[in-house]
Amino acid sequence: RKEVEQDPGPFNVPEGATVAFNCTYSNSASQSFFWYRQDCRKEPKLLMSVYSSGNEDGRFTAQLNRASQYISLLIRDSKLSDSATYLCVVRHSSASKIIFGSGTRLSIRP
Amino acid sequence: GAVVSQHPSRVICKSGTSVKIECRSLDFQATTMFWYRQFPKQSLMLMATSNEGSKATYEQGVEKDKFLINHASLTLSTLTVTSAHPEDSSFYICSASQGFDTEAFFGQGTRLTVV
Repeated sequence: RKEVEQDPGPFNVPEGATVAFNCTYSNSASQSFFWYRQDCRKEPKLLMSVYSSGNEDGRFTAQLNRASQYISLLIRDSKLSDSATYLCVVRHSSASKIIFGSGTRLSIRP
Repeated sequence: GAVVSQHPSRVICKSGTSVKIECRSLDFQATTMFWYRQFPKQSLMLMATSNEGSKATYEQGVEKDKFLINHASLTLSTLTVTSAHPEDSSFYICSASQGFDTEAFFGQGTRLTVV
């Protein structure tokens, strides 16, 4: 079983729709959580950190559920420019490893 | 945000030669640097974790004698692909992090093509 699992998609939704991704992690010692965005043939870029209390940044909302060991990303009022691969990232403080999920591809259509 | 510079961005080399890729953190000291490889339409795969001043920790299945990692300072890590073969052709990305619970910043990636 992979340490970090994501639905690969692709999610194909119309512009303006709300879309949500989930990501599950298996190591309960995981300490820090992030969502990254990767555009085709480019390096990943940090979208947002995920805090225990949940956090929002504009149209993006991230939530963490430690009991069930999953994190989520909600995108409201999606734009064409949101089309990308979204990577769930988990970090262990003890091992200092950063583990990526396989990514969820999102395609927004006009 | 913090800047991580990776060089070169693109390299084509002959089979059997070695290629060195540099990863520099420009405005912060990176306690830890990570090296990833990404094949087309696949996810990022962690190759190794590099801590300044100590030997890199390689992931299972990654040959340490083939992928030499040197993290000589808090701002520089290098990955050398030795005796490259066409199957080593891939997108190699480094990332750097200041601490254990902070986000990582990525270099621009190096597209390696071995002919």
